[in-house]
Amino acid sequence: DQQVKQNSPSLSVQEGRISILNCDYTNSMFDYFLWYKKYPAEGPTFLISISSIKDKNEDGRFTVFLNKSAKHLSLHIVPSQPGDSAVYFCAARPSRDGGTSYGKLTFGQGTILTVHP
Amino acid sequence: EAGVAQSPRYKIIEKRQSVAFWCNPISGHATLYWYQQILGQGPKLLIQFQNNGVVDDSQLPKDRFSAERLKGVDSTLKIQPAKLEDSAVYLCASSLSEGGYEQYFGPGTRLTVT
Repeated sequence: DQQVKQNSPSLSVQEGRISILNCDYTNSMFDYFLWYKKYPAEGPTFLISISSIKDKNEDGRFTVFLNKSAKHLSLHIVPSQPGDSAVYFCAARPSRDGGTSYGKLTFGQGTILTVHP
Repeated sequence: EAGVAQSPRYKIIEKRQSVAFWCNPISGHATLYWYQQILGQGPKLLIQFQNNGVVDDSQLPKDRFSAERLKGVDSTLKIQPAKLEDSAVYLCASSLSEGGYEQYFGPGTRLTVT
């Protein structure tokens, strides 16, 4: 039962262009969503997050959009840089009454982003 | 601020052998998590500790996996006996509290079972 899905295993983008990574979820008890970035041989690092009461959160070159009715979120990186090349994971956390441990994150499968110079 | 430390970084064992991983979280972080990441998949939570108590171990294969967090600081995860399908990266993470939306991850231990 894949509650968080990233349907694109990989994405290739030219430097300076926009990168759009997508994520879908099925569990309506999720109320907080996060994006993590992972370089080879390192652990994931937190990138940006959004609460379910918002539809957009921006931090520098990174913007996350949330469409609750479609149970869909996306991460936009603009402009993309070669250093952004990494695996990006979408993750979701349930609300306090979500029937499971509050801190439990459910991750998607990841999308490998390659930004070409 | 020191990050989450894990050791060893790499381990190769034969099936049916046992193995243990160690994690030292960020100082002051009450919540500690162990994740299993199989190649091509996202991290899957195995067990979550709040101080030295278990909050969630619903996805821990308890017939072969065990974990402890004595004194509420560092933690060990053990597999005994290992199976081929246990080959994965084992990630430890910590957060200030159970709300934990910002979890800080260690570099992981890559386990290969042959």
